[in-house]
Amino acid sequence: EAGVAQSPRYKIIEKRQSVAFWCNPISGHATLYWYQQILGQGPKLLIQFQNNGVVDDSQLPKDRFSAERLKGVDSTLKIQPAKLEDSAVYLCASSLDLTAAGLPQYFGPGTRLTVL
Amino acid sequence: QKEVEQNSGPLSVPEGAIASLNCTYSDRGSQSFFWYRQYSGKSPELIMFIYSNGDKEDGRFTAQLNKASQYVSLLIRDSQPSDSATYLCAVNKGGSQGNLIFGKGTKLSVKP
Repeated sequence: EAGVAQSPRYKIIEKRQSVAFWCNPISGHATLYWYQQILGQGPKLLIQFQNNGVVDDSQLPKDRFSAERLKGVDSTLKIQPAKLEDSAVYLCASSLDLTAAGLPQYFGPGTRLTVL
Repeated sequence: QKEVEQNSGPLSVPEGAIASLNCTYSDRGSQSFFWYRQYSGKSPELIMFIYSNGDKEDGRFTAQLNKASQYVSLLIRDSQPSDSATYLCAVNKGGSQGNLIFGKGTKLSVKP
């Protein structure tokens, strides 16, 4: 079974530029998550989708970050304009479905973003 | 109080020993608990998950949960140098639909 796919793996941009990340979850997984992981920290949830709807985006900096999952499968996360503090690894994860208790989430390889 | 706390380490154990990794959490509504392993420069990899009080074993790994004490641990028996990594504890946010709160991780070093 193929895992979560992400691209690109690395991206270097200058501040105030824009960048987009792509994620394709495990086949059949209805729930998709985007996390930000800063060096030395655990992943922090940015946004959670169930199929093509947003479940939780309370920690997404909406003035510069946006995300979509239009057809309920793959997803795109965009940053515009980027700031220095956005330098981090952006992780996509998926789980089979939503439950109150929480199901295991499986992570993709991540995109390492460096903002200069 | 931090939501999920882990000792950052590094925790150093000799090869073949038992490594004990600990995690405390603040949300009494949490229902599911996960351990992820993260090698340097790689993404988190799920090792274990546990929902009920007690122990859950999978090969060399045992997860232990005590909801009354808000404590979850991971034991690694017969530790190998390949187990050297950062171990992340994740707890679902009570009242949410699967949202996980991660600790900062404990760095484990297994010495040959």
